[in-house]
Amino acid sequence: GQQLNQSPQSMFIQEGEDVSMNCTSSSIFNTWLWYKQDPGEGPVLLIALYKAGELTSNGRLTAQFGITRKDSFLNISASIPSDVGIYFCAGLRYGGSQGNLIFGKGTKLSVKP
Amino acid sequence: SAVISQKPSRDICQRGTSLTIQCQVDSQVTMMFWYRQQPGQSLTLIATANQGSEATYESGFVIDKFPISRPNLTFSTLTVSNMSPEDSSIYLCSVGSRAGEQFFGPGTRLTVL
Repeated sequence: GQQLNQSPQSMFIQEGEDVSMNCTSSSIFNTWLWYKQDPGEGPVLLIALYKAGELTSNGRLTAQFGITRKDSFLNISASIPSDVGIYFCAGLRYGGSQGNLIFGKGTKLSVKP
Repeated sequence: SAVISQKPSRDICQRGTSLTIQCQVDSQVTMMFWYRQQPGQSLTLIATANQGSEATYESGFVIDKFPISRPNLTFSTLTVSNMSPEDSSIYLCSVGSRAGEQFFGPGTRLTVL
C-alpha cells in the first residue's frame, strides 16, 4: 500500500535550537497535514497544506507542500520544552473527504532544557 | 473544529471478551473514522463509519472483529470483539472536514490480558 517515509525517526535537541523533519512518498498527495501527539492524547492538527509549493506558518511552526506533491517538511524554530512529543505527517491522496489519510511513522522530539 | 470525546478513556480487559468504544461529537459531521495505533506505532485506519449504512473497512480489518455503528451524525461506536493481547492498542475516532483535514478524539487505551 501507500507509504510515507518520515525522517528523522527521533531527535534530541537543546532548547532554543531549530528543528526540521520531512516526509516523502512515491505517490502524489493533494493535501499534507502535520500533527503532534502528546503521551496519552490523540493527535492534534498543527498545519494543513493544500497546494503544491504552499508555505504555511503557525507560530513557530512552518510547513511546506513540496512542488512535486510527493513531499512535505515541517520546521520548528527556537524549540521549547513543550514541543516534546511525536510529530506525524499525513497525506490525503484524493480531494476533500473522498479519501483517507496515510500517516508517516512519526518523529519523536525530545528537548533538553 | 469539533469537540470529540471518547469513552472509556482506558480499559483493561480479559482475552475473549469484547469492548465497545463510544465516540461523541458536539456537532453534526458527515465523515467519521476509526483508527488503531499499536504501541509505539503510527495510526492505521480501521474503517470509515457511514451514517445509515454499513461501515467501509480497510484491508486487514473485518466487520466480525470490529463491528461499527453510526446511528446519527454525532455518534459512533467501535466494538473490539473476542479480544486477544494483540488487540492492545490505542483506538482513536476522528471526524473529517470538507477540505480533507481530520480531527481526532483523545483515544481509548486498551490493554488485553
